[in-house]
Amino acid sequence: DIVMTQSPDSLAVSLGERATINCKSSQSVLYTSNNKNYLAWFQQKPGQPPKLLISWASTRDSGVPDRFSGSGSGTDFTLTISSLQAEDVAVYYCQQYYSTPLTFGGGTKVEIK
Amino acid sequence: EVQLLESGGGLVQPGGSLRLSCAASEFTFSSYAMNWVRQAPGKGLEWVSVISGSGGRTFYADSVKGRFTISRDNFKTTLYLQMNSLRVEDTAVYYCAKDLASMASGGPLTFDHWGPGTLVTVSS
Repeated sequence: DIVMTQSPDSLAVSLGERATINCKSSQSVLYTSNNKNYLAWFQQKPGQPPKLLISWASTRDSGVPDRFSGSGSGTDFTLTISSLQAEDVAVYYCQQYYSTPLTFGGGTKVEIK
Repeated sequence: EVQLLESGGGLVQPGGSLRLSCAASEFTFSSYAMNWVRQAPGKGLEWVSVISGSGGRTFYADSVKGRFTISRDNFKTTLYLQMNSLRVEDTAVYYCAKDLASMASGGPLTFDHWGPGTLVTVSS
């Protein structure tokens, strides 16, 4: 199974500042045949289901604000919120879909400082 | 807009059974693989199972293999999860989630739409 490790577990960022979340996979999730990273990021607010933010490591889903960006390749990935807004308070998860079982990182809680 | 609505959750004793349903609408249901993902109270996300758009291919997490069965009715646009031999550790909110693609040739991808979830509590 591919183990997904996120860091930090939580972070507090001032409004308007940058938030950076890291995700590391235990093996590469880059398919060399199509040069795509099988990595997604989700946002989950309390009492709500997760929401897809980014797929293929860097492709924002429809309607996702451009302050959210994903980067990285192979085994190391980053979700960046360029200018934190109050509505961004949530838990963020990375997920690999390179192979079954599909696996998630443990989550990173983002709060306002 | 894609709509997913789970039902069938509730309180069940250890060793018991439960069948979850997920009614889907506003998209071509048979063209997409469908997943179940669960979340224990206060914990992270755990993928449970996936079924291809045609229903011909399924995969399961090891934690549920042999106890849970995923199925779908493309005429009724409904996804199911039959859960047998339930354990206390199966207690969670169960979400159905639409896949990005059909899984006709290749594995499951990620989840672009989720239902609100249904709570399953396994307790004596």
